Amino acid sequence: AQSVTQLDSQVPVFEEAPVELRCNYSSSVSVYLFWYVQYPNQGLQLLLKYLSGSTLVKGINGFEAEFNKSQTSFHLRKPSVHISDTAEYFCAVSDRGGDDKIIFGKGTRLHILP
Amino acid sequence: GAGVSQSPSNKVTEKGKDVELRCDPISGHTALYWYRQSLGQGLEFLIYFQGNSAPDKSGLPSDRFSAERTGGSVSTLTIQRTQQEDSAVYLCASSLRQGVQPQHFGDGTRLSIL
Repeated sequence: AQSVTQLDSQVPVFEEAPVELRCNYSSSVSVYLFWYVQYPNQGLQLLLKYLSGSTLVKGINGFEAEFNKSQTSFHLRKPSVHISDTAEYFCAVSDRGGDDKIIFGKGTRLHILP
Repeated sequence: GAGVSQSPSNKVTEKGKDVELRCDPISGHTALYWYRQSLGQGLEFLIYFQGNSAPDKSGLPSDRFSAERTGGSVSTLTIQRTQQEDSAVYLCASSLRQGVQPQHFGDGTRLSIL
């Protein structure tokens, strides 16, 4: 069964510094990959998605992620974070041609330090 | 409405009572998903609907949990004889079809069992 690992439960980073949130998935079959962001007391919003094509995916709010098939990773990056990026970030994966169920990681809480 | 609507936004009830949570998906979205979000546990898949049928109920934690969807639209998640471990945020999401299309999330129902 597919699984998603977000290695860091919390990541503190200073404002205007770069950040990388790590995500690894288990299956070697072809997948669709997603990053969602959850602001306090809100539902999840799609940040970006990888379906096919270029392995570097750009999303909203200046975030990007790179799909690495050999390492089964889909790490999320931003070159310069802002205080408004404080939120929880969820990586998710869905098998192509499978039952299309989306499996979520446990989330990474991003703390922006002033 | 423009987005996924969930009600109530907060629910406090006594242990042993039954609760019903409602999800109104985006108009035209055929796929509807229920998730449970507990502190530090990420998103736990509960059930999804394609139209009115539920092909995958594997995530329901016990037979106290049930869900239905009528008219391919509104869905209700019912928890009978609630227990304290049922306390969580219950999130609903919808998509044009399962899997590929990004899921659009509601703001959730925060359920507290006393």
